[in-house]
Amino acid sequence: TQLLEQSPQFLSIQEGENLTVYCNSSSVFSSLQWYRQEPGEGPVLLVTVVTGGEVKKLKRLTFQFGDARKDSSLHITAAQPGDTGLYLCAGEKQAGTALIFGKGTTLSVSS
Amino acid sequence: NAGVMQNPRHLVRRRGQEARLRCSPMKGHSHVYWYRQLPEEGLKFMVYLQKENIIDESGMPKERFSAEFPKEGPSILRIQQVVRGDSAAYFCASSRQTSGQETQYFGPGTRLLVL
Repeated sequence: TQLLEQSPQFLSIQEGENLTVYCNSSSVFSSLQWYRQEPGEGPVLLVTVVTGGEVKKLKRLTFQFGDARKDSSLHITAAQPGDTGLYLCAGEKQAGTALIFGKGTTLSVSS
Repeated sequence: NAGVMQNPRHLVRRRGQEARLRCSPMKGHSHVYWYRQLPEEGLKFMVYLQKENIIDESGMPKERFSAEFPKEGPSILRIQQVVRGDSAAYFCASSRQTSGQETQYFGPGTRLLVL
């Protein structure tokens, strides 16, 4: 049973398009993190959301944590080829405990 | 800007051999987590250690796998008598403390290939 469901699994879009990646669960998390992973490298943290309903922006990326702290979304505006990569959401049931990862969304942005 | 360091980056072993994966946490970090990433799957937690203590090993197979984080030196994930199913990318992450929200920073991983 996958505790964190990420969708879509694959996304292939043209430069300039917008996209949203979803991370859903039936469980409540104390925090949720989004990572980006390049081939052959480890995950790099993009953002941590902690408060229900929280919205964080990182340039063209907007992250939202659901009011009930069970789900999150990542929205990218005007995608660029440099956004290509594997996006992972990860939840923490309690601070300092192991991260529970979704399977990831592989994004490909072509020019 | 020394991040989490892992070595080797790539490791090839034959079935039955031992694999030792090392992880040096970021400076000032005393908590280490090991995760395994299989093809087409997300990262799965294996074990969580503080200096000289295993805090949570619920994700680590009971047999052939062990982990340590000595007072001095890197954390070691050891896999004895490797099998082909052990082929995966192994990542470690470190954090400062657990009294509040602390980010886990990941290393570049060790890609283990068992022939």
